[in-house]
Amino acid sequence: SYELTQPPSVSVSPGQTVSITCSGDKLGDKYACWYQQKPGQSPVLVIYQDSKRPSGIPERFSGSNSGNTATLTISGTQAMDEADYYCQAWDSGTSPYVFGTGTKVTVL
Amino acid sequence: QITLKESGPTLVRPTQTLTLTCTFSGFSLTASGVGVGWIRQPPGKALEWLALIHWDDDRRYSPSLKSRLTITKDTSKNQVVLTMTNMDPVDTATYYCVHTAGGYYVFDYWGQGTLVTVSS
Repeated sequence: SYELTQPPSVSVSPGQTVSITCSGDKLGDKYACWYQQKPGQSPVLVIYQDSKRPSGIPERFSGSNSGNTATLTISGTQAMDEADYYCQAWDSGTSPYVFGTGTKVTVL
Repeated sequence: QITLKESGPTLVRPTQTLTLTCTFSGFSLTASGVGVGWIRQPPGKALEWLALIHWDDDRRYSPSLKSRLTITKDTSKNQVVLTMTNMDPVDTATYYCVHTAGGYYVFDYWGQGTLVTVSS
């Protein structure tokens, strides 16, 4: 089955830039998306089709996807961005919807 | 405005069957490209996709749970039902109902989730 791997945690200072990686075999050949989940809340889609932002998502969130790695970048990180982030991809195989292992972003 | 809400038991005994209902509004599950699915999250753990039903009744299941899952829709009631047989304590999780559309293969709307505990 297809697997997506993320670092368990990253930390960032307010105002700085943080990048979260998501690794999977030939992930660049698929569309990747990203969800933000704050404690006690449902996930929210922040990036889809590798780099597109849904309406209402701040411009400081951006994404890219190439080779085996998709990346979510938060520029000018704010305290409100502290959350868990999950990547997700669609695979035409037997398990079409695959989530990453999740990354906890701490804003120090 | 699209909304989804999960309902069902909060406590299930081991070996029992879980039945969850998703009641939605703001869209039609008869519209081309629309799908409603289920995702779960054990406490402190990652998200796991379970099942999805499309507007044309195409159904997809997680391979690891396929033998235990059934997803159905009732378009007249705007509801999607998920059943999971032979529940085990490891199935304790928050279960989310989700919406997908437009062929983007993402979940753009989520319900609030419902915590299901499996315990004797």
